[in-house]
Amino acid sequence: SQQGEEDPQALSIQEGENATMNCSYKTSINNLQWYRQNSGRGLVHLILIRSNEREKHSGRLRVTLDTSKKSSSLLITASRAADTASYFCATAANDYKLSFGAGTTVTVRA
Amino acid sequence: EPEVTQTPSHQVTQMGQEVILRCVPISNHLYFYWYRQILGQKVEFLVSFYNNEISEKSEIFDDQFSVERPDGSNFTLKIRSTKLEDSAMYFCASSEAMTGGGYTFGSGTRLTVV
Repeated sequence: SQQGEEDPQALSIQEGENATMNCSYKTSINNLQWYRQNSGRGLVHLILIRSNEREKHSGRLRVTLDTSKKSSSLLITASRAADTASYFCATAANDYKLSFGAGTTVTVRA
Repeated sequence: EPEVTQTPSHQVTQMGQEVILRCVPISNHLYFYWYRQILGQKVEFLVSFYNNEISEKSEIFDDQFSVERPDGSNFTLKIRSTKLEDSAMYFCASSEAMTGGGYTFGSGTRLTVV
């Protein structure tokens, strides 16, 4: 299985701090994507990084990808209470279906 | 911003009944998907659909499940003879091309089988 696995499982930070979560996977990928899910709600696509990219930014989000280590990280800078959610990495191989990890639950304290 | 719309948002059904979950993908998207998330577990791929046929399905997607695009806009997931373990959040998604680009997910249908 090429499923991504995130760590930590849960993260609690103070508003304004940065949040970093990691994702590891097992097999070669075409791209890796990060999604956010608020409690009981849908999945919101945050950012996609292709296998030939090493770093990508989108607003307060920074994603890195190390294909040699089969790992990715998601950094949320200057966190806000509204960032409280679960964050999932999902990998796509040549078949392009997504394989999701179990997610990191982030709680941002005001 | 274009959205994938799913209805209903919550469905309660008796065990053994059939349910149809509905989705309206983004209009210019060509690839459609169903995923499910059992409470507290990972999001799991069920099926992908392109050009009016299934392009890939997972082991979960057995004869109990079927998908259809009946009218060029709706994309439905039918679950026959529902079981308690079918209780989950079902997400529809669509993408413009099967190039591994970002998917747009709907907000999900929470199916509760009682």
